[in-house]
Amino acid sequence: AQTVTQSQPEMSVQEAETVTLSCTYDTSESDYYLFWYKQPPSRQMILVIRQEAYKQQNATENRFSVNFQKAAKSFSLKISDSQLGDAAMYFCAYRSPLRDDKIIFGKGTRLHILP
Amino acid sequence: EADIYQTPRYLVIGTGKKITLECSQTMGHDKMYWYQQDPGMELHLIHYSYGVNSTEKGDLSSESTVSRIRTEHFPLTLESARPSHTSQYLCASSEFDRVAGNTIYFGEGSWLTVV
Repeated sequence: AQTVTQSQPEMSVQEAETVTLSCTYDTSESDYYLFWYKQPPSRQMILVIRQEAYKQQNATENRFSVNFQKAAKSFSLKISDSQLGDAAMYFCAYRSPLRDDKIIFGKGTRLHILP
Repeated sequence: EADIYQTPRYLVIGTGKKITLECSQTMGHDKMYWYQQDPGMELHLIHYSYGVNSTEKGDLSSESTVSRIRTEHFPLTLESARPSHTSQYLCASSEFDRVAGNTIYFGEGSWLTVV
């Protein structure tokens, strides 16, 4: 069975600095999708970035980028130029492309932005 | 913004009351999910559906029930609420679409307090 591990329950970063959130996963599949979701306090969970396993190029979305290491089964999220609005819970998620799939979420990392 | 809606957003009810949490999506997604999440904690899948008349229990045992009579509607019902049911309930939907990347979209959540 697939598992997703986020080893950092909480992290803090100074405003305008760069922070990296870690995520590792375990799977025997070769094709899958990986996601980072952001959940601000008392607000909606939204997609930050998505990576298809068959793509070698790391996904980027403005200040957010990933370091996808397929062999190491690692999928870290880098946030550049951190802003106060980045404070949230961040969840890493794995999804199989098979039709009868379920989405596996990590336990989350709470990110604090220090002014 | 995702077109998935949950009502009520906040609810306080007495022990033993029956409650239905509503979830609707206008994206035509076949797959819908209910997650239970305590504040700042991990997500637990309690129910999912792959289409009309399809419902399955998730990884976390729950006393709630669900139904899927229409594609767009996936309500969750608690027949007799107890204080242990106090939590946030998140509804989500997704399409099995390789091109779209299988993104999961979340509602804003329903905060339930049972007193």
